[in-house]
Amino acid sequence: EAAVTQSPRNKVAVTGGKVTLSCNQTNNHNNMYWYRQDTGHGLRLIHYSYGAGSTEKGDIPDGYKASRPSQENFSLILELATPSQTSVYFCASGGGGVFFGKGTRLTVV
Amino acid sequence: AQSVTQPDARVTVSQGASLQLRCKYSYSGTPYLFWYVQYPRQGLQLLLKYYSGDPVVQGVNGFEAEFSKSNSSFHPRKASVHWSDSAVYFCAVSAYNQGKLIFGQGTKLSIKP
Repeated sequence: EAAVTQSPRNKVAVTGGKVTLSCNQTNNHNNMYWYRQDTGHGLRLIHYSYGAGSTEKGDIPDGYKASRPSQENFSLILELATPSQTSVYFCASGGGGVFFGKGTRLTVV
Repeated sequence: AQSVTQPDARVTVSQGASLQLRCKYSYSGTPYLFWYVQYPRQGLQLLLKYYSGDPVVQGVNGFEAEFSKSNSSFHPRKASVHWSDSAVYFCAVSAYNQGKLIFGQGTKLSIKP
């Protein structure tokens, strides 16, 4: 099965600080995704990518940037973190199905 | 607009009883349909998927689901649940099998002893 690894698994950040969430996949999938999960909303798509060098806005991109420097790596960047960005973030990669990492729990205080 | 509705936020069944979860979707094109399961503090694992063909598909852990185009539904069922089935279940739809997923809000399944 496809392996998607997220780091860190837990993060506490201060309001106004910069946060980078990292994701690595080892199965050569072209498509990668970042979602956030909040109670009552399910998972919502923030950014996605079709391959190295490409990033696209998802359904809720405001306050987030993404970077895909290589086929394997896809980062989510919060330049100025806010408490409303406290959530659980999931990275996923697609190739004959979509496979998810275990998530990063981010708390912005 | 594309959307997925899971009408039951919580479902409780007794161990050994049968289970059916519910999912209805609104999608303008040909949908690819999925069910994912999330165990506590874990990522999402694929449970079932439907692309085309036989409307009844088999998944993992004894689950199967039936796609109904006329009802815009994709309901999974299991004949006999086990306490280990306790989890949150998400229905999702996309335009193709590697595509952006649109999720429902999830159904939390609890199993009574």
